[in-house]
Amino acid sequence: EIVLTQSPATLSVSPGEGATLSCRASQSVSSYLAWYQQKPGQAPRLLIYDASNRATGIPARFSGSGSGTDFTLTISSLEPEDFAVYYCQQRSNWPLTFGGGTKVEIK
Amino acid sequence: EVQVEESGGGLVQPGGSLRLSCAASGFTFSSYEMTWVRQGPGKGLEWISYISSSDSSSDSTKHYADSVKGRFTISRDNAKNSLYLQMSSLRAEDTAVYFCARLLKRGGWFDPWGQGTLVTVSS
Repeated sequence: EIVLTQSPATLSVSPGEGATLSCRASQSVSSYLAWYQQKPGQAPRLLIYDASNRATGIPARFSGSGSGTDFTLTISSLEPEDFAVYYCQQRSNWPLTFGGGTKVEIK
Repeated sequence: EVQVEESGGGLVQPGGSLRLSCAASGFTFSSYEMTWVRQGPGKGLEWISYISSSDSSSDSTKHYADSVKGRFTISRDNAKNSLYLQMSSLRAEDTAVYFCARLLKRGGWFDPWGQGTLVTVSS
């Protein structure tokens, strides 16, 4: 099973500042990695797929990069609605797996 | 609008069974792979099952997480635009919100997700 390790567990950021979230895979997943955003009481929402492609309707302030085992989600300037939990997910191998999540909270 | 909506959650005793449903609308259900993901209380996301687009028992491909293999069964009825998760031998650790999601044709990523249905396993 491919283990995805997200860091940090919690990130405290002020609105308007940037944020960088990390996801590290226990073995290469090529570019088969996605990022999801989840707000309290809501379903997750696809943000980034294939490591660097924004999903439909996702603002340009969200960007993804990386390949192999190291991936990054960058939020260039946080808006109030961006404070949420972010998960990475791989589809390189079965079973599909998610990272443990990074909570982005207001500083 | 593309939507999926789960139902069937509730309180069940340990060792019991429950069947979850996921109703799809706004897209050609029979053309899409589907999946179930769960989230325990205060925990992260856990993928649990996948099914290919075919609802034929001979043609469909299914995958399960080890945590549910042998206890849960995924199925679908394309004529009813519905996905199912039959859960048996339920344990306290199966307590979670269960989400269904469509897999995008490009890449197989999960989009959209339903709002989830809560399953509580407790005596």
